[in-house]
This record gives sequence, C-alpha cells and structure tokens, in this order.
Amino acid sequence: AQTVTQSQPEMSVQEAETVTLSCTYDTSESDYYLFWYKQPPSRQMILVIRQEAYKQQNATENRFSVNFQKAAKSFSLKISDSQLGDAAMYFCAYRSAKGSNYKLTFGKGTLLTVNP
Amino acid sequence: NAGVTQTPKFQVLKTGQSMTLQCAQDMNHEYMSWYRQDPGMGLRLIHYSVGAGITDQGEVPNGYNVSRSTTEDFPLRLLSAAPSQTSVYFCASSRLDRSYEQYFGPGTRLTVT
Repeated sequence: AQTVTQSQPEMSVQEAETVTLSCTYDTSESDYYLFWYKQPPSRQMILVIRQEAYKQQNATENRFSVNFQKAAKSFSLKISDSQLGDAAMYFCAYRSAKGSNYKLTFGKGTLLTVNP
Repeated sequence: NAGVTQTPKFQVLKTGQSMTLQCAQDMNHEYMSWYRQDPGMGLRLIHYSVGAGITDQGEVPNGYNVSRSTTEDFPLRLLSAAPSQTSVYFCASSRLDRSYEQYFGPGTRLTVT
C-alpha cells in the first residue's frame, strides 16, 4: 500500500518570503499522480498543484511550484512571495495511475502560518 | 453549477442513533468518495463509488454504509453512531481520470456523545 509522509506538522513564514513544505511517499508503482491540496480555516479543500510522475518537468502554478524527485520519492511544495491568504493546512496526496483503485492517499498535513 | 454539496453542515448524535449524511454533485462525475478527517490523521477514505450501482470500501469502512442509485447522489449512513465516529466528513467527486482533481464538498462536522 502507498503511504504519504509529511514530516513537518507546522511551518511558519514571513509575509513576502519563500517557504518549502516537504512530502515523501512510498510506492512500488512507476506511474502515478501527486497533488498538493490547501485547506484554509473555512475547511474547504482546494487543489493547489498537481504533478504527473511521467513528466520530468516540475509543475508550477503562479507562486506555487514543486520539486519532484522521482528516484528519491520526494514531492516538496515551494510557495514564493508568501501572502497572508496562504495560511492554511497543506496536504500532499498520491493517486495511482493504474488498476481499479482511484483513491487519493493523503499525508497528515502541514499547518502553515504566515506572519505579517 | 453548485459543485459538491453536503448536508447537514453540523450534527450532534447520541451513541446508538443512526443518520445519513447527504452528498450531491452536479458535474456528472462518475467517481465519488467519502473521507473522514481527524486531528493529526489527514483524510482517510471510508467508501467510494465509480458509478451508479458500484461501491467499494476504503481504508476505514467499519460502521458506515453507502449506496449509489444515481450519478448525482452518494449518501453515507451511520447505522449505530459511536463516539469514535466523531469527525469531520468530506464528500468528493471527480471524473474517472486519475489526473483529474477531486472536488470536495464543504464538510460535515459530526459529534457523537
């Protein structure tokens, strides 16, 4: 079974600075998808960014980018120019690309605080 | 286009009571799922469905039942509530495309006393 580990329960960053959230995963599969979801205090889960394992190029979405290291099974999220609205719980998630299982496997989350 | 809706938003139950959490989506998504979120545990899959009439268990299915009679609706039933089922419950839906994101409902906070 796949597992996702987020080793930083909490992180903090100053407004306008850059922060990196870590995620590692364990899988025997070669084809899969990785996601970062954001959960602000409103509780709503929002997709931040996704990465296909077959793509070597790291995904970017505006101020959000990932560092995908397939061999190391690492998928970190970098937030540049942090804003107060980035304060939230961030979840890393894994999804297999094959078979009958469509489920997302989540890490336990990293709570990000943004200090003004 | 309302996306994924869940009712109720909050619920308090006594041990042994039963209830149904409702979930509906208007995006014609084949895949629907239920998660529970507990402090320090992330989101854990309870049950999922890949289409009307097809359901399967996730990693924490005990104490919960589901059915899928239409594409739009995917209710979660608690037959005999226990304090261990106190949690926040999320319903999610997506296309049957693994690269596609899952859209989440706003969640239901359930307390069992």
